[in-house]
Amino acid sequence: GIQVEQSPPDLILQEGANSTLRCNFSDSVNNLQWFHQNPWGQLINLFYIPSGTKQNGRLSATTVATERYSLLYISSSQTTDSGVYFCAVERSNYKLTFGKGTLLTVNP
Amino acid sequence: DAGVIQSPRHEVTEMGQEVTLRCKPISGHNSLFWYRQTMMRGLELLIYFNNNVPIDDSGMPEDRFSAKMPNASFSTLKIQPSEPRDSAVYFCASSLGLRSGNTIYFGEGSWLTVV
Repeated sequence: GIQVEQSPPDLILQEGANSTLRCNFSDSVNNLQWFHQNPWGQLINLFYIPSGTKQNGRLSATTVATERYSLLYISSSQTTDSGVYFCAVERSNYKLTFGKGTLLTVNP
Repeated sequence: DAGVIQSPRHEVTEMGQEVTLRCKPISGHNSLFWYRQTMMRGLELLIYFNNNVPIDDSGMPEDRFSAKMPNASFSTLKIQPSEPRDSAVYFCASSLGLRSGNTIYFGEGSWLTVV
């Protein structure tokens, strides 16, 4: 099956710093989504982005489908950004395959 | 919209007992998913329903697991008998359809502990 690798596995930032999270996938995909799991366990969809660039406030994402990677940018990080960020891809069916996530800790 | 609603939020049960997890998808969504999250295996898809019909249950770990979707607004995931290794967070999610550019929405999860 398709492999999804996320980096870095862990990231610690000071409030106000910027960060870039990466997602590499092993094959072409029909669907790519980024999720944030907050410290209470809730999974929130951030972006649906199989290709191109999208922005939502301090967050933006870029997927380069031909090179099989996606990047999630967080600018001016806040403590509420802490949690685990997951990349999930769908290749040729309905199954979303999740990466292992990046654990982000933003300190005040 | 109320989002995907799951119950119970937390359950602690003894090994051998039956566990039933419940899910109400977002109204109008025709795809429903059950996922399991553990530290060791991450997020795994257990079963997928489309228009109330189970399409793929290859992720269901054993015969002890079963899932039903009797109508468009309700689904259950049952574990009988439960074992300690079933301890995990079980998420229900719904979507209008992954390929049409619609996103998937997760419930808050059911935290299961089997002792």
